[in-house]
Amino acid sequence: GAVVSQHPSRVICKSGTSVKIECRSLDFQATTMFWYRQFPKQSLMLMATSNEGSKATYEQGVEKDKFLINHASLTLSTLTVTSAHPEDSSFYICSARDGRGALNIQYFGAGTRLSVL
Amino acid sequence: AQTVTQSQPEMSVQEAETVTLSCTYDTSENNYYLFWYKQPPSRQMILVIRQEAYKQQNATENRFSVNFQKAAKSFSLKISDSQLGDTAMYFCAFMKANAGNMLTFGGGTRLMVKP
Repeated sequence: GAVVSQHPSRVICKSGTSVKIECRSLDFQATTMFWYRQFPKQSLMLMATSNEGSKATYEQGVEKDKFLINHASLTLSTLTVTSAHPEDSSFYICSARDGRGALNIQYFGAGTRLSVL
Repeated sequence: AQTVTQSQPEMSVQEAETVTLSCTYDTSENNYYLFWYKQPPSRQMILVIRQEAYKQQNATENRFSVNFQKAAKSFSLKISDSQLGDTAMYFCAFMKANAGNMLTFGGGTRLMVKP
């Protein structure tokens, strides 16, 4: 299957700082990427849909000024958690849609564990 | 809106035996896709199997197969000859066709394979 790289895998930061997470599709072009948040022992919650060259679409309840998404190329989307606070501590996962053919499969990055002190 | 329900929060199975994970969904759509993803302790989401709603034939991938009942809106996953490496969270997911490719996930089933 296709490969999606997510970096960093783990980040610890102080309250009030901003953190950037990168999501790259390594062997395919992804016009659409997705960002999820996962709390311990829970399912994945879609935060936003990232579209190359246009603004992201945020799910209800997700602050777009808090979670900035940039999808500047067909292989890279970034999520920036601005002015992070302890309640933002979570596991963040990205996925990229492989649009080749009609498979409509999303491939996932390995996730980023964010800990805000 | 679509909803996906996995009614079994936790399950266990002996190594080499067979286990079935349940998934039901609610939708008014006729054209859609269904998926099972596996999330092992590493937390990397891995696609296990995929089913198109317009196909009556159940999808199969080696030891993994599904029982897709469109009228009943049921999509169960059967794991045969369970292996220790199958221990993971399993998520059932729904995707509408031609609608942004968003996935709606169920709450997950934690599967433990015992030696």
